[in-house]
Amino acid sequence: DIQMTQSPSSLSASVGDRVTITCRASQGISNYLAWFQQRPGKAPKSLIYAASNLQSGVPSRFSGSGSETEFTLTISSLQPEDSATYYCQQYNNYPRTFGQGTKLEIK
Amino acid sequence: EVQLLESGGGLVQPGGSLRLSCAASGSTFSSSAMSWVRQAPGKGLEWVSLISASGATTYFADSVKGRFTISRDNSKNTLFLQMSSLRAEDTAVYYCATMKLLGNYYFDYWGQGTLVIVSS
Repeated sequence: DIQMTQSPSSLSASVGDRVTITCRASQGISNYLAWFQQRPGKAPKSLIYAASNLQSGVPSRFSGSGSETEFTLTISSLQPEDSATYYCQQYNNYPRTFGQGTKLEIK
Repeated sequence: EVQLLESGGGLVQPGGSLRLSCAASGSTFSSSAMSWVRQAPGKGLEWVSLISASGATTYFADSVKGRFTISRDNSKNTLFLQMSSLRAEDTAVYYCATMKLLGNYYFDYWGQGTLVIVSS
């Protein structure tokens, strides 16, 4: 199975800050990488697919990059509603696997 | 926009069975692959199963293989997850999600989830 490792596991940042979350795959997955946002008590929401493509309706302050084994999710100007846990997920191989999550707190 | 509504969760004893349903709105259900993902209390996301649009192809996580069955009724816009030989570690919120295809299937819309508790 492909292991997905996110860093950091948690972070705290202020409104307006630029935030970057990293996701590493244990083997190359081309660009078959998605990102999700999950607010407390809510269902996950799809943010990005194919490493860098924004899902419909996702604010442009979110962006993704990377390929093969290293990927990043960047929030260019943090907003209060961005407080959530973020997950990466590979869909190159079965079983599909998720990262352990990064909890983002707004200071 | 697609809306997904899961149902069928509840309390079940170890070794028991449960069938989850996911009702989809919209006309795209029959042309969309679908997945189930679960989340144990306080834990991360775990992919469980995927079914192709026609229902002909299915995939399962090793943790549920041989115990869970995924199926769909395209005439009723409904996805199912039949769970048997349930264990305490199957306790989780179960989400259904639509899949889109670009090379491989990726997650699109998610339902709100249904809670399954396996306990005596």
